Amino acid sequence: NAGVMQNPRHLVRRRGQEARLRCSPMKGHSHVYWYRQLPEEGLKFMVYLQKENIIDESGMPKERFSAEFPKEGPSILRIQQVVRGDSAAYFCASSPRRGEDYEQYFGPGTRLTVT
Amino acid sequence: RKEVEQDPGPFNVPEGATVAFNCTYSNSASQSFFWYRQDCRKEPKLLMSVYSSGNEDGRFTAQLNRASQYISLLIRDSKLSDSATYLCVVGYAGGTSYGKLTFGQGTILTVHP
Repeated sequence: NAGVMQNPRHLVRRRGQEARLRCSPMKGHSHVYWYRQLPEEGLKFMVYLQKENIIDESGMPKERFSAEFPKEGPSILRIQQVVRGDSAAYFCASSPRRGEDYEQYFGPGTRLTVT
Repeated sequence: RKEVEQDPGPFNVPEGATVAFNCTYSNSASQSFFWYRQDCRKEPKLLMSVYSSGNEDGRFTAQLNRASQYISLLIRDSKLSDSATYLCVVGYAGGTSYGKLTFGQGTILTVHP
């Protein structure tokens, strides 16, 4: 059973470009969470999605960031007009059910570098 | 005040030592509690869930005190492979926040020969 897949693993973008990060949850998991880890900081929740629905986006910056989890295909975290402060590791996690009682399995992360 | 607070360390201990990590959380409505470990530049991996009755998994023992909003992790007989950052993680169940995990800053452990 393949784990959570994320790609690309490393992404370099110039200021002003767009970054698209992809996450494929574990087989059978329909709940996806995105977290961001800034250098020397802890992980911070960004958004929680189910298929075709955003459930909780309380951790998403108000501008330039969006997320989706379509009926078919991976979840996408999109960052428009990237700035240097967006440089971070972005981790995706998935779980089989809704709720904090269920373990979240993390993907290897995408390391975004904005030059 | 941070939602989840940990002593950042670093803790430097010799092999075979016993080491304890502490964590406090601020939201009394928190429902679930975990310890994750994160190796350098890798993803967090679940070490163990933490229950009010306390739980043990081999050399690892976790305790939860809901009244004090305090979580602990004890590692006995430390191994070199235990060197990592240990993350105290709290889950909150409220409104649409099911599934949202709040992470502490992490405690760095280095086990040396």
